[in-house]
Amino acid sequence: DAGVTQSPTHLIKTRGQQVTLRCSPKSGHDTVSWYQQALGQGPQFIFQYYEEEERQRGNFPDRFSGHQFPNYSSELNVNALLLGDSALYLCASDNGVWVNNEQFFGPGTRLTVL
Amino acid sequence: QKEVEQNSGPLSVPEGAIASLNCTYSDRGSQSFFWYRQYSGKSPELIMSIYSNGDKEDGRFTAQLNKASQYVSLLIRDSQPSDSATYLCAVSGVKNKLVFGAGTILRVKS
Repeated sequence: DAGVTQSPTHLIKTRGQQVTLRCSPKSGHDTVSWYQQALGQGPQFIFQYYEEEERQRGNFPDRFSGHQFPNYSSELNVNALLLGDSALYLCASDNGVWVNNEQFFGPGTRLTVL
Repeated sequence: QKEVEQNSGPLSVPEGAIASLNCTYSDRGSQSFFWYRQYSGKSPELIMSIYSNGDKEDGRFTAQLNKASQYVSLLIRDSQPSDSATYLCAVSGVKNKLVFGAGTILRVKS
């Protein structure tokens, strides 16, 4: 049973650049959520995708955008990178039909902005 | 007031002891409650979920929920050095958006 996968594992960018992170959900899951985790903090919700649409969004600027594909995989795009965007980016998946869903996380992408 | 609050620790317990981790939340509409374990440099791993008042046991782990007091706890019995990690409390409402606390660092000393 394949778990959540993310790519790349690590990424180094410079300020002002753009980055795309990728996620494949756990087998049988159709909902993907993205979180940003700064050092020493808990993950912060960025947005959630279900049926190829953004279902809800956290308090992140429009520089953060996403997409979900028909196979339920997802991308997170960040434009005009800032130093403060350096963090661990986590993707989590669940079966979006039910309310009390357990979300399972991928290994994350460590983004460093120089 | 933070939405989900945890004592940052570190909480140090001797091997074989019971570790008690606590979490409070502010949104009374929260419906689902989770504990994740996160080792340094790794992603969060789900260890317990609880949805109704009372206790839920799974092996050495017991989650406790008190919605009236807006309080969730995690007990780890017979703590092992391998339990040393950061424990994240997360709550969600109808839309299944997880809101996390900052985590409690647990250190189990052998």
